[in-house]
Amino acid sequence: GENVEQHPSTLSVQEGDSAVIKCTYSDSASNYFPWYKQELGKRPQLIIDIRSNVGEKKDQRIAVTLNKTAKHFSLHITETQPEDSAVYFCAASTGGNYQLIWGAGTKLIIKP
Amino acid sequence: NAGVTQTPKFRVLKTGQSMTLLCAQDMNHEYMYWYRQDPGMGLRLIHYSVGEGTTAKGEVPDGYNVSRLKKQNFLLGLESAAPSQTSVYFCASSPGQGGYTFGSGTRLTVV
Repeated sequence: GENVEQHPSTLSVQEGDSAVIKCTYSDSASNYFPWYKQELGKRPQLIIDIRSNVGEKKDQRIAVTLNKTAKHFSLHITETQPEDSAVYFCAASTGGNYQLIWGAGTKLIIKP
Repeated sequence: NAGVTQTPKFRVLKTGQSMTLLCAQDMNHEYMYWYRQDPGMGLRLIHYSVGEGTTAKGEVPDGYNVSRLKKQNFLLGLESAAPSQTSVYFCASSPGQGGYTFGSGTRLTVV
């Protein structure tokens, strides 16, 4: 079955700098890759997603890139702000049962 | 639209007691999921449903049962609560190939 690995487990960056979180997946049939942000004590919320027919997607300060050949995808956050501090989860899904397979999460710390 | 609503938000149970967590969605989604999240950990799938009247086991189903009698509702039952079931429980729904919408969670403590 599908397996998703996420790195790093913790990332600390200076406010205003960029942050990059990487995920790799094992099933070449996976075709949908969302990213979720979970603030402390809150529910996970979808922040951006990408499908396998697209290589990159941007939404203001957030972007996701997908390399199908290498089977990895990354979340890029530019000009980080204190409100970006949270745990970020990547996930992958194949078309079959639409079930998301989750990465273990990355705790992003924005230093003032 | 309320999205995904979970009740209750908090609950304390004694070991051996039973309870039911309710998840309701108003987005006409076919797929619904129950997850548990322990402190500092990721999401672990307990059970899921691909449509009304269907249920299936996830990664950690032992000690839990579910029912999906109506499309909009997905119930999670604990028959005999154990301290190991102390966790935050999240329900989520999905239209299929697309993102999940999560409920706000239920914080359950078993003493």
